[in-house]
Amino acid sequence: GQQVMQIPQYQHVQEGEDFTTYCNSSTTLSNIQWYKQRPGGHPVFLIQLVKSGEVKKQKRLTFQFGEAKKNSSLHITATQTTDVGTYFCAGKGYSGAGSYQLTFGKGTKLSVIP
Amino acid sequence: ETGVTQTPRHLVMGMTNKKSLKCEQHLGHNAMYWYKQSAKKPLELMFVYSLEERVENNSVPSRFSPECPNSSHLFLHLHTLQPEDSALYLCASSQGGVGTGLSPLHFGNGTRLTVT
Repeated sequence: GQQVMQIPQYQHVQEGEDFTTYCNSSTTLSNIQWYKQRPGGHPVFLIQLVKSGEVKKQKRLTFQFGEAKKNSSLHITATQTTDVGTYFCAGKGYSGAGSYQLTFGKGTKLSVIP
Repeated sequence: ETGVTQTPRHLVMGMTNKKSLKCEQHLGHNAMYWYKQSAKKPLELMFVYSLEERVENNSVPSRFSPECPNSSHLFLHLHTLQPEDSALYLCASSQGGVGTGLSPLHFGNGTRLTVT
């Protein structure tokens, strides 16, 4: 079945440093979604990428979707303490018989040292 | 405020108890989901309801029984659970199911379940 690998599992950065998490799928995806979960909270949708090679920005966050639509990345420039949390990618892929499935990565837990 | 409300927030139950988790969405969505979130594991999809009809059941043990009386409400009935079922149970909704459209998931705050 479809698998989505996300690395690194943990990342500790000094405030002001950059951060990147990577997501790789075993199959070609129709789209990829990114979510953020604050400590003690629930996943909150950040963005969705659909097109091959797509790049989207949200303030200090840059999201990319690979040309082959099998990988994606989230880059945060100049991290702040408010960026703390776990970032999940979720890839939507065709699972056969006319249906799709959304598979989450294990997430990258970001800690920011003030 | 998420638009998806889950109760209770915390639940401790013995292995012989019967309890229910409740989810209500105020977003006008037509698909609802139950996910299980355990430490060091990806989010696991348990059940999907689209227009009140169960469209997916990912080999979940029968001790978990979902119920969707209408498009705004979703329940997860629990009975004779095991300690390994302790986890955060998240409800989500979307406009259109996973198999249709590109609508993202809106999650509730979750129920932290501990089975003793």
